[in-house]
Amino acid sequence: DIQLTQSPFFLSASVGDRVTVTCRASHDISSFLAWYQQKPGKAPKLLIYDASLLQIGVPSRFSGSGSETEYTLTITSLQPEDFATYFCQQLKSYPYTFGPGTKVDI
Amino acid sequence: EGHLLESGGGLVQPGGSLRLSCAASEFIFVRHEMIWVRQIPGKGLEWIAYINNNGASVHYADSVKGRFTISRDNTKSSLFLQMNSLRVDDTGIYYCAGNPRGRFDPWGQGTLVTVSS
Repeated sequence: DIQLTQSPFFLSASVGDRVTVTCRASHDISSFLAWYQQKPGKAPKLLIYDASLLQIGVPSRFSGSGSETEYTLTITSLQPEDFATYFCQQLKSYPYTFGPGTKVDI
Repeated sequence: EGHLLESGGGLVQPGGSLRLSCAASEFIFVRHEMIWVRQIPGKGLEWIAYINNNGASVHYADSVKGRFTISRDNTKSSLFLQMNSLRVDDTGIYYCAGNPRGRFDPWGQGTLVTVSS
């Protein structure tokens, strides 16, 4: 199975900050990587897929990059509604696995 | 974008069974591959099952293989998860989602399954 790790596990930030979350895969996943945002009591919401493609309706302050085994999610100018937990996911091979999550808090 | 609504969760004893349903609306269901994901409240996400658009191809996580069965009824725009031989560690929130290439979207709101004696 492909394992995903995320760093940091917890991130304390302020409105207006630039935030970067890193996701590392145990094997080359060829950019088959998605990022999701989850708020308490809600289902995950797709932000980015294929490592860098922005889902329709997602603000342009979210961006993704990376290749092979290392990927990043960047939020430029953090907004109050962005305080949430962020998960990466690989869709290169079954079982599709998720990272453990990064909580972005005030 | 489409909407998905899960139902069928609840409290069940270890060894028991439950059948989850996922109803799709505003969504061309027959065109979409579908999946189930579960989450222990406050914890991470686990993909557990996949089905292609005509039901001919399925995949399962090792943790549920042989106990859970994913199926669909395209005439009713519905997805199902039959869960047998339930264990305490199957407790969690179960989400259905569409699986277009390279992503899970949209997601339902989830249904809670609690396995406890």
